[in-house]
Amino acid sequence: QSALTQPASVSGSPGQSITISCTGTSSDVGGYNYVSWYQQHPGKAPKLMIYDVSNRPSGVSNRFSGSKSGNTASLTISGLQAEDEADYYCSSYTSSSTLGFGGGTKLTVL
Amino acid sequence: EVQLVQSGAEVKKPGESLKISCKGSGYSFSSYWIGWVRQMPGKGLEWLGTIYPGDSDTRYSPSFQGQVTISADKSISTTYLQWSSLKASDTGMYYCARRNDYADYWGQGTLVTVSS
Repeated sequence: QSALTQPASVSGSPGQSITISCTGTSSDVGGYNYVSWYQQHPGKAPKLMIYDVSNRPSGVSNRFSGSKSGNTASLTISGLQAEDEADYYCSSYTSSSTLGFGGGTKLTVL
Repeated sequence: EVQLVQSGAEVKKPGESLKISCKGSGYSFSSYWIGWVRQMPGKGLEWLGTIYPGDSDTRYSPSFQGQVTISADKSISTTYLQWSSLKASDTGMYYCARRNDYADYWGQGTLVTVSS
């Protein structure tokens, strides 16, 4: 059982926006501003998309944005493109001094 | 350029031991935590634990404490993940990743297959 809860799947049409939620507890998401998001295409290593709740690494499109309210974090992808179709995982630093991951969300671009 | 390069795929039998590696380059290896992540076939990501190569301070996720051992040799910029007695349920892809607050760089992954 994953530490953080994500929807199993979301979908959207090209050009639309989607949001993926990530719910934890006060011992992880709610307790630290260390929420991150990863994109994983089939057969590839995960790629960091958002760190520290809302920061984008260099080279990541500004179509990706992150936020947090209480124990729930969110990833929003605007202007959906076919290449965004992938699995997305949230993560948070935890009170055990390790990272916890969500179960992953499969994004389908219709 | 920051790189994490992992050792190659392994096929082992239940009960055998195994040690896989992750070599860092392009940054001050001793100054960044390195974590290990498991991905079982068709499943999500699981954080096993993390090590600070500078002083070998090691933290394990509660689910993996006692199941694996993480170590590092800073003289050769390499961290290791090892098992003393593999089980079929250890089959999966294992990634190393830099940092322990978020994972900014990832290795290419090492596929471990445990089968009789």
